[in-house]
Amino acid sequence: DTEVTQTPKHLVMGMTNKKSLKCEQHMGHRAMYWYKQKAKKPPELMFVYSYEKLSINESVPSRFSPECPNSSLLNLHLHALQPEDSALYLCASSQDRGGTGGEQYFGPGTRLTVT
Amino acid sequence: DAKTTQPPSMDCAEGRAANLPCNHSTISGNEYVYWYRQIHSQGPQYIIHGLKNNETNEMASLIITEDRKSSTLILPHATLRDTAVYYCIVRVRLGGNQFYFGTGTSLTVIP
Repeated sequence: DTEVTQTPKHLVMGMTNKKSLKCEQHMGHRAMYWYKQKAKKPPELMFVYSYEKLSINESVPSRFSPECPNSSLLNLHLHALQPEDSALYLCASSQDRGGTGGEQYFGPGTRLTVT
Repeated sequence: DAKTTQPPSMDCAEGRAANLPCNHSTISGNEYVYWYRQIHSQGPQYIIHGLKNNETNEMASLIITEDRKSSTLILPHATLRDTAVYYCIVRVRLGGNQFYFGTGTSLTVIP
């Protein structure tokens, strides 16, 4: 199974709402990632989890709160978002080991619209 | 991580080889070159990666120059399904798992 799943596929939320994005993989990968992608732009790294610990936060605003409850699951909690946060949110996973390899497997993304 | 430079767009005739260049003139010795592609509104898909030697898999070939300052991704027989944005990324293996995507090349395969 080389699949990364993300739910929901689409999400519309108001600026006062709280919602969560979910990502799941069953490839035994120990590194998981959140990216944000605006239209016609490349993906931008937001967070990296390594062995269920947050290892990289790319200066993301606190209205985005990641969580890694176990090695297969990654959540992104959303609160008080702004319309400019509307984007495709991508989750990815990879092996976390030294040496070669480490290619990332991406999910299909959640299309988020903030109204 | 080293930055990459790619042409913003390219066309290729169906059935012909698509050669996508990438410049990474500031690459250092421990940085790998990765290629991904993203078909419209889908998640990026891993294609191939390499360090020094040329690499080939079922999807593509990767040619890295001897000085490692540039590389070329070759799709040997492009099909309409290869229309996508192709990203070249250089990445340090030691010290973290972060990928930083460049602006990519939008490849259009023409019937």
